[in-house]
Amino acid sequence: SYVLTQPLSVSVAPGKTATITCGGNNIGRKSVNWYQQKPGQAPVLVIHFDGDRPSGIPERFSGSNSGNTATLTISRAEAGDEAEYYCQVWDSNNDHVFGTGTKVTVL
Amino acid sequence: QLRQSGPGLVKPSETLSLTCAILGDGVSSNSATWNWIRQSPSRGLEWLGRTYYRSTWHYDYSSSVKGRISIKPDPSKNHVYLHLQSVTPVDTAVYFCAKSGVVPMENWFDPWGQGTQVIVSS
Repeated sequence: SYVLTQPLSVSVAPGKTATITCGGNNIGRKSVNWYQQKPGQAPVLVIHFDGDRPSGIPERFSGSNSGNTATLTISRAEAGDEAEYYCQVWDSNNDHVFGTGTKVTVL
Repeated sequence: QLRQSGPGLVKPSETLSLTCAILGDGVSSNSATWNWIRQSPSRGLEWLGRTYYRSTWHYDYSSSVKGRISIKPDPSKNHVYLHLQSVTPVDTAVYFCAKSGVVPMENWFDPWGQGTQVIVSS
């Protein structure tokens, strides 16, 4: 099975930059999507195709993907960015696979 | 927009059935795929299966629930249904329906339904 590994938690000061990683074997060869999930809500797509932002997602959210690590970067972090973040890929053998999730705390 | 409905409590060995009402899109769209995903503390986010229409209906299911799962579209109501048979407490989770595009290129989920907490207990 294809496994995506994320850090359990990331802390960031308001106005600073948060970096969330997603590790997977040769993940750079796959297209990575990222979701933001706040407590009691459904996930919301924030990045698709490694680094493309859907309409309505602030430019502060960006993504990159290379080698064995994909990265979601949140610039100028705000209190409203506090949430769980998940990466996701499509794998030809395993279909859709989600990462383990990273809790982002803004303090 | 996707709007979910269905019972929040199911007895062990019975069938879990949920409905996803599609608003502002068509279940028979040739560019849409309709998925069911669940989330639990023990298993995280887990894709369960999908249906899509490309001149005919197609169905794909995760090996983790294959044999117990059925996803059915209803074009007359613009709904998609999830049926999961022979449930056990391990199937306790929040269940989501979600739209994706043409897999594998458009492989992201957007939007999602609001989620339905389902507890399997007698």
